[in-house]
Amino acid sequence: KQEVTQIPAALSVPEGENLVLNCSFTDSAIYNLQWFRQDPGKGLTSLLLIQSSQREQTSGRLNASLDKSSGRSTLYIAASQPGDSATYLCAVRRTTDSWGKLQFGAGTQVVVTP
Amino acid sequence: NAGVTQTPKFQVLKTGQSMTLQCAQDMNHEYMSWYRQDPGMGLRLIHYSVGAGITDQGEVPNGYNVSRSTTEDFPLRLLSAAPSQTSVYFCASTRGQGNTIYFGEGSWLTVV
Repeated sequence: KQEVTQIPAALSVPEGENLVLNCSFTDSAIYNLQWFRQDPGKGLTSLLLIQSSQREQTSGRLNASLDKSSGRSTLYIAASQPGDSATYLCAVRRTTDSWGKLQFGAGTQVVVTP
Repeated sequence: NAGVTQTPKFQVLKTGQSMTLQCAQDMNHEYMSWYRQDPGMGLRLIHYSVGAGITDQGEVPNGYNVSRSTTEDFPLRLLSAAPSQTSVYFCASTRGQGNTIYFGEGSWLTVV
C-alpha cells in the first residue's frame, strides 16, 4: 500500500521568505504526482502535475521537484505572500492503480504573516 | 467556467435517512470520482467512473452507491446514513489519466 507523508504538518513564515514543502511516498512505482492547494471551506486546486518521467515542473513562483528513487517531492514557493496561506496537499498515483486511485498526504498547513 | 459543481453545499441528515449528493461537470471529462475528507485521514476514494455506464469501487465504498448515466453527471447516493459518514465530500473530474484533476468545492454532510 502506498503511504504518502507530508512533513511538517504546519508551517508559519514571514512574508517574503521562501517556502519548502515536503512530500514522501513509499512506493516509487508512480505514474505521476500532483500538488494541490486547499483554502478553508473550499475544494482542491491543482498547482502542478509531474509525470513520472519528469524531474521538475515550474509555474510562476512555484517549482516542484520529483525524485522517484528516494520517494520524495518538494514544492518550493518563492517570495511567499499572505495570499499563499492555505493547506498544500500532494497526491500520488501508482502505476498499478487506475487513474482515480490517488493517494493523498494529510497536507501541510501554511501561514504567511505580513 | 463552471467546472465541477456540487450540490448541496451543506446537509444534515438523521441516521437511517438516504440522500444523493449531486456532481456535474461541463468540461466533457470522461473520468469522474468521489472522495471523502476526514481530519487526520486525508482524502480517500469512494467510487470512480471512467465513462458513462462504467463505475468502480475505491478505497471506502461501503454505504455508498453511484451510477453514471451521462458524461456530465456522477451522483453519489447514501443508502442509509450513519454518523460515520459525517464528512466533507469532494467530486473530481479529469480529461484523461495523465491530466490535471479538477475538484468541486465540496459538500459538508453531518449525520446525527
